Amino acid sequence: GAVVSQHPSRVICKSGTSVKIECRSLDFQATTMFWYRQFPKQSLMLMATSNEGSKATYEQGVEKDKFLINHASLTLSTLTVTSAHPEDSSFYICSARDSAVGAGELFFGEGSRLTVL
Amino acid sequence: GDSVTQMEGPVTLSEEAFLTINCTYTATGYPSLFWYVQYPGEGLQLLLKATKADDKGSNKGFEATYRKETTSFHLEKGSVQVSDSAVYFCALRLDSGNTPLVFGKGTRLSVIA
Repeated sequence: GAVVSQHPSRVICKSGTSVKIECRSLDFQATTMFWYRQFPKQSLMLMATSNEGSKATYEQGVEKDKFLINHASLTLSTLTVTSAHPEDSSFYICSARDSAVGAGELFFGEGSRLTVL
Repeated sequence: GDSVTQMEGPVTLSEEAFLTINCTYTATGYPSLFWYVQYPGEGLQLLLKATKADDKGSNKGFEATYRKETTSFHLEKGSVQVSDSAVYFCALRLDSGNTPLVFGKGTRLSVIA
């Protein structure tokens, strides 16, 4: 079946550095990918919708300059957490749907756990 | 706006007990409804779904029926196993286009032998 892969699965960084998380659709093309953030013991909050070849659409309250999203190809979207701080520590999950399937299922990546020291 | 409300956990059950996790929704249109499961340290997996009223989704012994009149999609399983221990998320999505899922807060289930 369709697979969405995220990398890295875990990353630890120092405060002030930037971290890039990749989301790849392995066997289908995705014109749209979604980035979620999951806080401990809480639900997944939609951060932004990533559109191939255009700017991402951010949800209210999400800083676009803080969370840079680039969807450069039909199989890859990246989320860069810039100047990371401890409060950015979280579990980030991407999801994607096969663009060729009209009512296709949304597939989720394995998630990336970011810890900012 | 659209939202999903599910019962708060954690839920702790003995093996072979009956499971119900309540889920209700609020939506401006006619959504598709989903249950996702997240095992420890993993991402989300689709457990089951229903796309219209009175549809029943089922998988791995779990069932949920789309009830439009009560705007509910309660998850049930007749006999839980230790391996069912996970966090369960109820979610909705409006239309079949490029719209995201709206999730409930999740319910953690622990099944003890």
